[in-house]
Amino acid sequence: DTGVSQDPRHKITKRGQNVTFRCDPISEHNRLYWYRQTLGQGPEFLTYFQNEAQLEKSRLLSDRFSAERPKGSFSTLEIQRTEQGDSAMYLCASSQRTSGPTDTQYFGPGTRLTVL
Amino acid sequence: AQSVTQLGSHVSVSEGALVLLRCNYSSSVPPYLFWYVQYPNQGLQLLLKYTSAATLVKGINDFEAEFKKSETSFHLTKPSAHMSDAAEYFCAVSGTYNQGGKLIFGQGTELSVKP
Repeated sequence: DTGVSQDPRHKITKRGQNVTFRCDPISEHNRLYWYRQTLGQGPEFLTYFQNEAQLEKSRLLSDRFSAERPKGSFSTLEIQRTEQGDSAMYLCASSQRTSGPTDTQYFGPGTRLTVL
Repeated sequence: AQSVTQLGSHVSVSEGALVLLRCNYSSSVPPYLFWYVQYPNQGLQLLLKYTSAATLVKGINDFEAEFKKSETSFHLTKPSAHMSDAAEYFCAVSGTYNQGGKLIFGQGTELSVKP
């Protein structure tokens, strides 16, 4: 169990450019979540996948944002035409259904995006 | 709808003193509650979780939290603060796994520990 990994850890880009982040969940975790965290705030839910199906998207996820999990393993989050307001930490988490009523999400280290 | 309110964006304690971080929740369904800790430039680490099995929940590093339905609270405590406890703490609420399981976080409380 190597934990959730995210790549890159830091990304600096110019306004209007496209960026893509990758998340590798804990092996065999069937759920994968994306959150966004701005400075001084708690993480906000963006979207989640169960296996390869994207089951819910937040209203925060504008049409410039797209996420995929093509084979039910790793996931990518793409932001097109970045804006300065997109500057944030993007966190990925994964979980596996257990016998309990809810799952426990394990977080990666995050990708910090700075849009100049 | 679910929400979480953390009272106090910044708490400062002396090393060895009691730590108390406050969290109140709102939920129209039986809540599942979590406390996470975040060190600078790192992801979130789970401290403990409440899933209705017991109202007093013990977590890692001597942290514990008590679920009080009548007060809609889930405050985090630790008897004796260590310097290494200095970090940002987040309370979160979720529904059941079948409801999606997404976490709704509070705004966080930054804990400072003075020597």
